[in-house]
Amino acid sequence: GNSVTQMEGPVTLSEEAFLTINCTYTATGYPSLFWYVQYPGEGLQLLLKATKADDKGSNKGFEATYRKETTSFHLEKGSVQVSDSAVYFCALRSGTASKLTFGTGTRLQVTL
Amino acid sequence: EAGVVQSPRYKIIEKKQPVAFWCNPISGHNTLYWYLQNLGQGPELLIRYENEEAVDDSQLPKDRFSAERLKGVDSTLKIQPAELGDSAVYLCASSAASGKSPDTQYFGPGTRLTVL
Repeated sequence: GNSVTQMEGPVTLSEEAFLTINCTYTATGYPSLFWYVQYPGEGLQLLLKATKADDKGSNKGFEATYRKETTSFHLEKGSVQVSDSAVYFCALRSGTASKLTFGTGTRLQVTL
Repeated sequence: EAGVVQSPRYKIIEKKQPVAFWCNPISGHNTLYWYLQNLGQGPELLIRYENEEAVDDSQLPKDRFSAERLKGVDSTLKIQPAELGDSAVYLCASSAASGKSPDTQYFGPGTRLTVL
């Protein structure tokens, strides 16, 4: 079946540091890949997505590249801010199915 | 544009009591989802509706959970009776299309249920 594995948190960084959150997946067919972010007290928000191999999703300074050869979709940001503190979820949707399969989430805490 | 609306935001009940959660999706979104999010975990799908039809309820524990979307717009998820292990966040999401071109899912803020 489908599964998503994320690096465990929490990840604690100083402001302006470089961020990488690893995500690997197992899926049948050619899944679409997503990163969602959950700020404290709020619902999940779509951060970025990629629908085919080698696509790069980007938004708000965050990027992730769909790597079929390594089945990965790592999230990166060159310079994090305190306001980026949140829980980040990697997810996949396989083929025409609507169901999203999520990872367990990675908590990011950015300090001054 | 209003997002997905859920109520209540928080609910505390004693075990064996019933509880219901309400969701109003984004206007025009035909597909509605209910997810369960346990503490420290990612959301897991409970049920998916296409208009008023439940097209995927394979993960819904039907002995105590039920859901409806009578007019194909808002939806209610019910637990009766609640158990201690039901304490979690219940998320509702909606999307504009499904089938051949499933669209982005937009999530509500969730209902945090505590069963004592």
